[in-house]
Amino acid sequence: QVQLVESGGGVVQPGRSLRLSCAASGFTFSSYGMHWVRQAPGKGLEWVAVIWYDGSNKYYADSVKGRFTISRDNSKNTLYLQMNSLRAEDTAVYYCGMVGGDHAFDIWGQGTMVTVSS
Amino acid sequence: SYVLTQPPSVSVAPGQTARITCGGNNIGSKSVHWYQQKPGQAPVLVVYDDSDRPSGIPERFSGSNSGNTATLTISRVEAGDEADYYCQVWDSSSVHVVFGGGTKLTVL
Repeated sequence: QVQLVESGGGVVQPGRSLRLSCAASGFTFSSYGMHWVRQAPGKGLEWVAVIWYDGSNKYYADSVKGRFTISRDNSKNTLYLQMNSLRAEDTAVYYCGMVGGDHAFDIWGQGTMVTVSS
Repeated sequence: SYVLTQPPSVSVAPGQTARITCGGNNIGSKSVHWYQQKPGQAPVLVVYDDSDRPSGIPERFSGSNSGNTATLTISRVEAGDEADYYCQVWDSSSVHVVFGGGTKLTVL
């Protein structure tokens, strides 16, 4: 079935880096735009970044621009989020999402927790 | 940047109708999507493109969008509908996804 599985979360010190992965299955990964969305504990959903189906375009929320990089490997059906210079306010559950027309999130992963703390 | 405004909470008795609003400047010109999120779970799409339902979503869930307000309507509310609900649009001018702040639906 259609599935997204995130991995790579954990506890990291401020200023350090972490790379998240999102493994896709059950659909033609290379045909869909993909996003990262995060949710801080007890807070709402915050969009992080988007990458076009072919990787040709990438856009970021102002809160992560210059620190985070979204990428994808269509040969491996995998989406990535490289997070550098992490801050306490980056602490959140990170979800990857597959979007259909007009960027509706048809499918979400289960999320991976990132905790930035010394 | 584009802003979506939702009421923090809505309460309704079982069997009644819940209406959750999402305000934005000329939101009627955009496609609005709605998500349900229960504690500890990922969000689930319940309405897309203002008023369409994904397969498997009950007909009790419906949506509308006009002017500066989009509305998610849940008819014959059940205890299992208690959750957080988020509206979302794609802002093509900033090339960003925008989420509303979320509304906690409480079933009395």
